Amino acid sequence: DTAVSQTPKYLVTQMGNDKSIKCEQNLGHDTMYWYKQDSKKFLKIMFSYNNKELIINETVPNRFSPKSPDKAHLNLHINSLELGDSAVYFCASSYRQGQETQYFGPGTRLLVL
Amino acid sequence: DQQVKQNSPSLSVQEGRISILNCDYTNSMFDYFLWYKKYPAEGPTFLISISSIKDKNEDGRFTVFLNKSAKHLSLHIVPSQPGDSAVYFCAADAGGTSYGKLTFGQGTILTVHP
Repeated sequence: DTAVSQTPKYLVTQMGNDKSIKCEQNLGHDTMYWYKQDSKKFLKIMFSYNNKELIINETVPNRFSPKSPDKAHLNLHINSLELGDSAVYFCASSYRQGQETQYFGPGTRLLVL
Repeated sequence: DQQVKQNSPSLSVQEGRISILNCDYTNSMFDYFLWYKKYPAEGPTFLISISSIKDKNEDGRFTVFLNKSAKHLSLHIVPSQPGDSAVYFCAADAGGTSYGKLTFGQGTILTVHP
């Protein structure tokens, strides 16, 4: 029983396309996050949602739009994909926001050609 | 502006010996710290955390030490095992209005040789 799952695991697409990555957690957590791991291996937060409400929105291009249909799901939609969007995207969740252990999904490896 | 730094990209240790992974931070607002382990093609897995009101936290073979005046923390693994070979990330949380935003270091690759 995977606690935090992401689909797809791999995504190869052309520049200019629109794609979505889905994330689901079955831990009953209130807070979910999206992180990006770039080519230099830094993990950087992009967004967080608490009970379907957007809490953190780092300086991310507005081509990236998170959507939380319920507190167990946080999806990431990316419009007009660019080469620089190639990265590994990790979803995470925590019991609540603030100073809580975050549990990560397996990652989605996005390659934009 | 790298607020959390892991200055050793890699560390190699013999099985049974101690592994010491280091992490430095610059933001004095950080008051909660975590260590994550990551295997290739998997997500980071939580290992151990420490609040700034403590200077040490132990969990089995893993101990984290926090030196607030030096803005430095370290993870000790004793004894090291080959299965500990992974990338280790240090992360920090500023609490308050950070709303759970974790700032990560760039990771240290630990290799434990049998």
